[in-house]
Amino acid sequence: DAGVIQSPRHEVTEMGQEVTLRCKPISGHNSLFWYRQTMMRGLELLIYFNNNVPIDDSGMPEDRFSAKMPNASFSTLKIQPSEPRDSAVYFCASSTADSNQPQHFGDGTRLSIL
Amino acid sequence: GESVGLHLPTLSVQEGDNSIINCAYSNSASDYFIWYKQESGKGPQFIIDIRSNMDKRQGQRVTVLLNKTVKHLSLQIAATQPGDSAVYFCAENTSGSRLTFGEGTQLTVNP
Repeated sequence: DAGVIQSPRHEVTEMGQEVTLRCKPISGHNSLFWYRQTMMRGLELLIYFNNNVPIDDSGMPEDRFSAKMPNASFSTLKIQPSEPRDSAVYFCASSTADSNQPQHFGDGTRLSIL
Repeated sequence: GESVGLHLPTLSVQEGDNSIINCAYSNSASDYFIWYKQESGKGPQFIIDIRSNMDKRQGQRVTVLLNKTVKHLSLQIAATQPGDSAVYFCAENTSGSRLTFGEGTQLTVNP
């Protein structure tokens, strides 16, 4: 079975540019999570969706960050405009809606903002 | 002074030995806990989970112990192998579907 698929795996861009990260959750999973991982702050939850609806976006750092889930098989995380401090690894995870089920992670997008 | 970054706890073991990785969690109301393994360049990989109505659960070569009295979780890996070298994270379900992750422990297995 395919796991969570993220693209691109690596992104290098100049500050001020728009960045779009993509995620395809595991088929049948109806919860989707976006995380950011840095050396300074570890693994942080940015936002999560249940049945394509954003439930908790309290971890989104600022208005420059936005996330959408137009359908059950696709989500995007957008940063506009990007800044060097946004450099991190961004992970997407999915799970069933049952809160006592594990989240399964993709292999992340390593983002570098110059 | 201010720390430059997270200073991961480290555990170094010999191949074939048993490993024990510990985690203190924060929320006494958490009812679900997970251990993840993260290898370099990859996402966290699910290892084993446990619900708060249990105090022990076993998988293949791994055992998770939960002590709710002191809010402590541990992961035991039997007969540790070089392929077990990774960062290990505990996570607790703090509300709804929200997981809060620990800082991680770097496990190094020496041949």
